Amino acid sequence: KAGVTQTPRYLIKTRGQQVTLSCSPISGHRSVSWYQQTPGQGLQFLFEYFSETQRNKGNFPGRFSGRQFSNSRSEMNVSTLELGDSALYLCASSWDRREQFFGPGTRLTVL
Amino acid sequence: GESVGLHLPTLSVQEGDNSIINCAYSNSASDYFIWYKQESGKGPQFIIDIRSNMDKRQGQRVTVLLNKTVKHLSLQIAATQPGDSAVYFCAENALSGSARQLTFGSGTQLTVLP
Repeated sequence: KAGVTQTPRYLIKTRGQQVTLSCSPISGHRSVSWYQQTPGQGLQFLFEYFSETQRNKGNFPGRFSGRQFSNSRSEMNVSTLELGDSALYLCASSWDRREQFFGPGTRLTVL
Repeated sequence: GESVGLHLPTLSVQEGDNSIINCAYSNSASDYFIWYKQESGKGPQFIIDIRSNMDKRQGQRVTVLLNKTVKHLSLQIAATQPGDSAVYFCAENALSGSARQLTFGSGTQLTVLP
């Protein structure tokens, strides 16, 4: 079975721009969660989607949004980028919403 | 708020020795705990998990111990190898209504010395 894939792997944007990141879960997994990882804050939960519905949301501003498609693929969007948004964005998929399998992440740099 | 924390940010062990990484959690509603390993440039990799109705679970060279009385979790790695060098995260998973999310600890950098 193929693992979780994320595209793009690396991204450079400037302040004020917006960005869309993509995640393809493991086949059969309907739950997709997104996390932000920074050296200062560690791994922080952004949101979880299950069967195209957002089931849970972390403590992030409304500039961070996401969606899930009928094939379980998910995208997250960050609008009006700030320097502090520079981070590794990780996607994880799950069958039972417990055991989560992570992708390699998208490294976002905001200049 | 609830948090999951690690006791030590770094740990150095000699190759061949056993490693013990500790973690404290505070959410008594957590019913599932996971240890992840993250190597540089990669996403976290699942190592082992344990449900709250268990005290101990063993895998290949790894053992997780759960002490619910003091809300403590540990990961033991037997015969530590150079390839074990990485950051290790504990995570707790709690169900609140229909919402379930992982809360991660801050991570411990394990360095295996030759």
